[in-house]
Amino acid sequence: DTGVSQDPRHKITKRGQNVTFRCDPISEHNRLYWYRQTLGQGPEFLTYFQNEAQLEKSRLLSDRFSAERPKGSFSTLEIQRTEQGDSAMYLCASSFEREKLFFGSGTQLSVL
Amino acid sequence: GESVGLHLPTLSVQEGDNSIINCAYSNSASDYFIWYKQESGKGPQFIIDIRSNMDKRQGQRVTVLLNKTVKHLSLQIAATQPGDSAVYFCAENKGTGFQKLVFGTGTRLLVSP
Repeated sequence: DTGVSQDPRHKITKRGQNVTFRCDPISEHNRLYWYRQTLGQGPEFLTYFQNEAQLEKSRLLSDRFSAERPKGSFSTLEIQRTEQGDSAMYLCASSFEREKLFFGSGTQLSVL
Repeated sequence: GESVGLHLPTLSVQEGDNSIINCAYSNSASDYFIWYKQESGKGPQFIIDIRSNMDKRQGQRVTVLLNKTVKHLSLQIAATQPGDSAVYFCAENKGTGFQKLVFGTGTRLLVSP
């Protein structure tokens, strides 16, 4: 399967713990996106990378959130001091330039 | 409240019928719109897109119509199949040079055999 890969698929954590998610985009895609989706809602934009540069961040991305794409390939999204309101599906997507986005299956985060 | 978001609009159709899913968008300056299909446990899957200089675009069994006057978008699925059952989202692009998508409220399509 050469689609967007996300790991883990599910993460359960206790409030206050740090979590990190990984996204491996489609190999030739230079653009990578993180979105967040809560139950019954559409995805919401979090951040965007072009190669290794993080070019746009949503106001939804508080100081507790940090994303990296160190070599312009895979990306990580870290949430520090998790809160119950962080519970959501975290979706990664990639594209080649301005072409259509391909989404991964997401990481479902549950904060207890 | 949060409970409102859990009650997605639902469209129930019989297999073989045509389905029409509607969406209203907010920004008259938006120039790019996309329809996504999302099955349970999966990420959104691209179906079809349309730019604001077009009124209609056709794909395989799907047609998207754009009415800029009333800021309305629709997705038509011909000869709906059980495999079409999913949640459908429209999205408008609010990014400049990249895809900062704003998704609408989804519609759940249920196709019965």
